[in-house]
Amino acid sequence: DTGVSQDPRHKITKRGQNVTFRCDPISEHNRLYWYRQTLGQGPEFLTYFQNEAQLEKSRLLSDRFSAERPKGSFSTLEIQRTEQGDSAMYLCASSPTRGTGYNEQFFGPGTRLTVL
Amino acid sequence: AQSVAQPEDQVNVAEGNPLTVKCTYSVSGNPYLFWYVQYPNRGLQFLLKYITGDNLVKGSYGFEAEFNKSQTSFHLKKPSALVSDSALYFCAVRDSNDYKLSFGAGTTVTVRA
Repeated sequence: DTGVSQDPRHKITKRGQNVTFRCDPISEHNRLYWYRQTLGQGPEFLTYFQNEAQLEKSRLLSDRFSAERPKGSFSTLEIQRTEQGDSAMYLCASSPTRGTGYNEQFFGPGTRLTVL
Repeated sequence: AQSVAQPEDQVNVAEGNPLTVKCTYSVSGNPYLFWYVQYPNRGLQFLLKYITGDNLVKGSYGFEAEFNKSQTSFHLKKPSALVSDSALYFCAVRDSNDYKLSFGAGTTVTVRA
């Protein structure tokens, strides 16, 4: 499977714990995006990277959230001191900077976070 | 600023009938428009896009959409719906000078046999 992969698919944690999610984009896709989707809503943009550079962050990304893409390949999204309001589906997407699919974003299956 | 409105939370049609899912958008520059479909507990699957050119775009699984600049709309259509088209559909927009997508709240399509 050469699509975007995310790990884990499901995460249940207790309030106050830290969690980290991983996203592996499609090979050679330079751009990587994180979105959050709550029940009954469309995905909301969190942040995006071009290669290893984080180029934009949404105001939704509070200081408890941090994202990295250290070598321009996979990315991690960490949430510190989780709150019940963080419960959501976290979606990762990637896109190339040229060629086929240039203007599209290809989404992974998501990580569903439940904070108890 | 950019935004998308999907005025219908739910659309119900009989199999074999035409299906339309409505979308209007707002963007400051030139719009790039997209439709995605989501099945339960799955990520988003790309259906089609409008970037430039012909206002009628054709996509996967027999879906098409028409870009209407004057009405700022990008409605999704399928001439003959299938039960397997039952899913959650999202319209999305981005400015041609930006990369982040803004999504509508989604429309649940139910096709009854």
